[in-house]
Amino acid sequence: DQQVKQNSPSLSVQEGRISILNCDYTNSMFDYFLWYKKYPAEGPTFLISISSIKDKNEDGRFTVFLNKSAKHLSLHIVPSQPGDSAVYFCAARDDKIIFGKGTRLHILP
Amino acid sequence: DAGVIQSPRHEVTEMGQEVTLRCKPISGHDYLFWYRQTMMRGLELLIYFNNNVPIDDSGMPEDRFSAKMPNASFSTLKIQPSEPRDSAVYFCASSLGLARNEQFFGPGTRLTVL
Repeated sequence: DQQVKQNSPSLSVQEGRISILNCDYTNSMFDYFLWYKKYPAEGPTFLISISSIKDKNEDGRFTVFLNKSAKHLSLHIVPSQPGDSAVYFCAARDDKIIFGKGTRLHILP
Repeated sequence: DAGVIQSPRHEVTEMGQEVTLRCKPISGHDYLFWYRQTMMRGLELLIYFNNNVPIDDSGMPEDRFSAKMPNASFSTLKIQPSEPRDSAVYFCASSLGLARNEQFFGPGTRLTVL
């Protein structure tokens, strides 16, 4: 029973365009959401987070949107760059952090 | 800071053998986590420790898996006996506090059980 779902295993986006990665969750007790980025042969690294009391958090080219009523969050990357090619994990926290399966983002030249 | 250190980076073993994965967390961090990544299940939390004490081991798949943290700078994850379905990448992560603090991951150990 997956509490955090990333339904798109992969996504390809042209360089310079917007990348939108989606994540759905089922547990309404989650109070904090995070995105991690993972390159091959490396561990995941923290990217951006958002508290459940907010609906948007922005950090440079990265913005996370939270829609609590829909139990949905998304990560927007604008503009997309070649170095953004990686696997992105959505995660949510109640008493521990639960990760989704990840979405592989390919930025096309 | 060297970050979270894991060893070995790669491990190939035969079914039935004992496997021990090692982790050194970031100095000063009081939480340590063990995760397993597979294609089918993504990134799963196996167990986590607070101040060297196991807090939640509900993610440990079965009794063949055990984890210890004898001191603040070292933890092990042991699989005995290992099975082919244990093949995965195992990550260790540490954090300062649990609430709203990011976890810092090690590079992972890629385990292959033949």
